[in-house]
Amino acid sequence: KAGVTQTPRYLIKTRGQQVTLSCSPISGHRSVSWYQQTPGQGLQFLFEYFSETQRNKGNFPGRFSGRQFSNSRSEMNVSTLELGDSALYLCASSPKTGWSETQYFGPGTRLLVL
Amino acid sequence: GQQLNQSPQSMFIQEGEDVSMNCTSSSIFNTWLWYKQEPGEGPVLLIALYKAGELTSNGRLTAQFGITRKDSFLNISASIPSDVGIYFCAGRETSGSRLTFGEGTQLTVNP
Repeated sequence: KAGVTQTPRYLIKTRGQQVTLSCSPISGHRSVSWYQQTPGQGLQFLFEYFSETQRNKGNFPGRFSGRQFSNSRSEMNVSTLELGDSALYLCASSPKTGWSETQYFGPGTRLLVL
Repeated sequence: GQQLNQSPQSMFIQEGEDVSMNCTSSSIFNTWLWYKQEPGEGPVLLIALYKAGELTSNGRLTAQFGITRKDSFLNISASIPSDVGIYFCAGRETSGSRLTFGEGTQLTVNP
């Protein structure tokens, strides 16, 4: 089975621009979660989608949004980029949502905002 | 939000030594997970724990779900250079709740 894939792997943007990141979960997985990873803050939860519905949301401003498609692929959008948005954005998938489910991570998209 | 305290933050050891790290929470967790992350990659799941007291091994790695359900431990025996990386614990409080991650333990193994 192919793992979680994320595109693009690297991205450079300037302040004020917007960006869309894509995540394809493991085949058959219906839950997709997004995380922001920075050296100072560790792994911070952004949101989780299951069956095209947002199930959980972290403490990020409204500039961060996401969606999930019927094939479980997910996109994350960040509008009006700020320098502090520079980070590794990780996507993780699991078969379904629930306490017993483990998450499998993709390689991440490294975003640099100049 | 919920925070996990993971310690130590970093470890510098010699090849062949054993390693121990742990995570503690102020809340009761139903699931504990341990991940390893190498530079430029996403975290890779090492061990998943679902029951209090559970002890699970994966090769030279052994993890335990604490009896109080508020802590978990990861041990690596006979470390080798490829064990280098950042080890994260993660926990989930209840069904449907999000995973909370520890801040990671940076492991360096000197040959």
